[in-house]
Amino acid sequence: DTGVSQNPRHKITKRGQNVTFRCDPISEHNRLYWYRQTLGQGPEFLTYFQNEAQLEKSRLLSDRFSAERPKGSFSTLEIQRTEQGDSAMYLCASSARISGNTIYFGEGSWLTVV
Amino acid sequence: AQKITQTQPGMFVQEKEAVTLDCTYDTSDPSYGLFWYKQPSSGEMIFLIYQGSYDQQNATEGRYSLNFQKARKSANLVISASQLGDSAMYFCAMRERDTGNQFYFGTGTSLTVIP
Repeated sequence: DTGVSQNPRHKITKRGQNVTFRCDPISEHNRLYWYRQTLGQGPEFLTYFQNEAQLEKSRLLSDRFSAERPKGSFSTLEIQRTEQGDSAMYLCASSARISGNTIYFGEGSWLTVV
Repeated sequence: AQKITQTQPGMFVQEKEAVTLDCTYDTSDPSYGLFWYKQPSSGEMIFLIYQGSYDQQNATEGRYSLNFQKARKSANLVISASQLGDSAMYFCAMRERDTGNQFYFGTGTSLTVIP
């Protein structure tokens, strides 16, 4: 399968614990995005990488959130000291170029903080 | 102000009939792109169709077409010959030239196809 891959697909964690999600983009795509989606809402932009450089971060990305893309391939999104409000689906997407092309999403990682 | 507005939380359509899902957008950027995505219960966002702000003709992709009315700032999705597998959430999204790395999504419309 050559689509965007995310894991784990589901994660239940206790409040205060740290969690990490991984995203493997489509192999020829150098742009990578993280979005968050809560119930009843559309996805909201979190951050954007071009190759290994993190070029944009949303205000939604608090200090407890950190994203990396160390070699310009896969990316990780870590949430430290999770809170119940972090419960959401975290979507990763990738694209080859920005002009005229869409972004392709993975199946998402569901996070439940109890 | 909301960048993307989808006013239909839920829609029902009879199998084999056509259905229109509404989307209006707000931008002052003359260059932008409009997108529709389908999200089944599995969670994956599936790209359906794209319309550029300078495109003269409405976009079509198989059974999907985008009714682009620039002056009204609307970008409605038309699904023809609905199938049971079309039951899902549908999201309208926009990307502006000036904020090109961000996609703005609406709140979605839940479509149910009735046999």
